[in-house]
Amino acid sequence: GAGVSQSPSNKVTEKGKDVELRCDPISGHTALYWYRQSLGQGLEFLIYFQGNSAPDKSGLPSDRFSAERTGGSVSTLTIQRTQQEDSAVYLCASSPDPGLYEQYFGPGTRLTVT
Amino acid sequence: KQEVTQIPAALSVPEGENLVLNCSFTDSAIYNLQWFRQDPGKGLTSLLLIQSSQREQTSGRLNASLDKSSGRSTLYIAASQPGDSATYLCAVTRGGKLQFGAGTQVVVTP
Repeated sequence: GAGVSQSPSNKVTEKGKDVELRCDPISGHTALYWYRQSLGQGLEFLIYFQGNSAPDKSGLPSDRFSAERTGGSVSTLTIQRTQQEDSAVYLCASSPDPGLYEQYFGPGTRLTVT
Repeated sequence: KQEVTQIPAALSVPEGENLVLNCSFTDSAIYNLQWFRQDPGKGLTSLLLIQSSQREQTSGRLNASLDKSSGRSTLYIAASQPGDSATYLCAVTRGGKLQFGAGTQVVVTP
């Protein structure tokens, strides 16, 4: 079946602009995760949604970052007033059940802030 | 606080040699450990998942072991091929979110 998809694949934006990144998880997966991969920091957790529970936002680096998940499926990660240090690859993953099963990753969105 | 370490950071081997990649973690209270492969400019491909109650998992030429008590996992790749060249990452999870090591960059030379 279809895997995790993300859009856009690449995004170049000017410092100070807002951006939205989209993730379509594997159908039926209840858990959805966002991670960020940057040269200096490696792969780091951002936020995690599980069903109808309140999301775990403990990895969001600042209040400029927010995410929502509509209808238990598609998720959007929004970065407001982008800064150059936000440049990274943003990866989305989904899983049938948190903690017990593999997480399946999408191809990522490469964000460049100029 | 959980820390995940992968040694070595880079590894180059001739084709046909076996690969041994190491992962260590400081907090043994994990649910599972997952090994991934990442090709340049691509996302992550899951290779193996080991539940905390398991000692090892095998898939084709890949075998991963887990020793929770010592906080270690090892990924073995038998009879390496140039197509195995990639970065290999391990990650542990407790409560859903993955915590990653920095990865081992592998080059298999023909």
